[in-house]
This record gives sequence, structure tokens and C-alpha cells, in this order.
Amino acid sequence: NAGVMQNPRHLVRRRGQEARLRCSPMKGHSHVYWYRQLPEEGLKFMVYLQKENIIDESGMPKERFSAEFPKEGPSILRIQQVVRGDSAAYFCASSPPGGWNTEAFFGQGTRLTVV
Amino acid sequence: AQRVTQPEKLLSVFKGAPVELKCNYSYSGSPELFWYVQYSRQRLQLLLRHISRESIKGFTADLNKGETSFHLKKPFAQEEDSAMYYCALTSGSGNTGKLIFGQGTTLQVKP
Repeated sequence: NAGVMQNPRHLVRRRGQEARLRCSPMKGHSHVYWYRQLPEEGLKFMVYLQKENIIDESGMPKERFSAEFPKEGPSILRIQQVVRGDSAAYFCASSPPGGWNTEAFFGQGTRLTVV
Repeated sequence: AQRVTQPEKLLSVFKGAPVELKCNYSYSGSPELFWYVQYSRQRLQLLLRHISRESIKGFTADLNKGETSFHLKKPFAQEEDSAMYYCALTSGSGNTGKLIFGQGTTLQVKP
């Protein structure tokens, strides 16, 4: 099992462009979580998805950010019209169904730089 | 407010010295507490969780509900323990993926 895969590892975008970050969960995992880590800060929860459903988006900025986890393919975090303040490391985690006594496994992150 | 606080950004010790990484939390209810570790150029991985009461790589952590603390301890630090350590909590509802993280503490173990 290759673990949670995120790509790209590094992404540079100019202000106003769109950023698409991808996350392939571990095999058998149907729960995906996105986190953002700003410089000098801890990881902050953004959104929790299951296949084709957004379960909890309480940490998502109200504008420009969206996430999906389609029936087939990776989960996508999309940031429209990026601004300098979006520069951060974005981490994805996945966990199997079942909840109790499960563990969330993290990807290596995508480092987004907005120039 | 729900919060995890790690007061030290950097903790530097010599090999063989005891280590204590501090973590305090603020949460109404019965949270589940975790320690995650990130070694250089590797992904974040779970080190231990309070409900399992395990000792991993010589590290232990005891949940002190009175002091709302979950400090990570190791009696004799090794150079390979050098890493970034994050304390985190979840609501205890069973959803172990929605976590509140502290700011992290870099542990540097000198030879």
C-alpha cells in the first residue's frame, strides 16, 4: 500500500490563477480530510469528505475554496483566484470507515506558493 | 474555545537526557488526545494516542484531565528522535481524522 498520495508536491501559481491539489487515499479508505498549514502554525482542519459527499466543511474559507471526492478518482481541493495569503502547505489524510479506533494517515503535502 | 497549546517551538537536549514535550488543551467534553511526529522529509505519522496507553519508541504520554495536559516524555533521548512533534485532539466521537493540532515543537537531540 503506497500510502496517501498527494500531487503535485510543489505548486507555484500567480495571483488570480487556479490551484488544484490532488489526494489519493490509501486503498480501502473512504474518508478524506484536508488540512492547511500556514508558516509557523500548526495544521488547521479544512474539510472532511466521504465518497461523493462533503461531511464537514467547517474549516473551509467561505469563498474561492472548494473540495470534492468523486466516486472515481482522487479528492481535489480547488482554490480559485489565488492570493498571496493562500501560500501554505496543504495536507490530506485518509482513514477507513468505522470511526472508532481507526487512524488517519497523512500524505506528504502540497506546498503552494503564490507569486 | 477548542485549542491545543504547545508552548515550546524548539526543545534542544543532549543524547541520553530526559525529554518532556509539553501539551495543554482546552476542550469541553471528553476529547481523545494524540501525538504525531514528522521526521525530516517524511510524512506526519501517529506516534501514540491516549486511549491505547502504549509506549512507542520509548515515548509515553499520560492524559491529566485536571491539568488538561498530555505531555510527551522519554527518559533517555536518542539522536533519531530529532523531529517535529505535534499534539492533537479530536472530539472523541470516533472521528479520528478531524483533528485540532498544536503549533508543534521541534525536538533537537544533540550528540
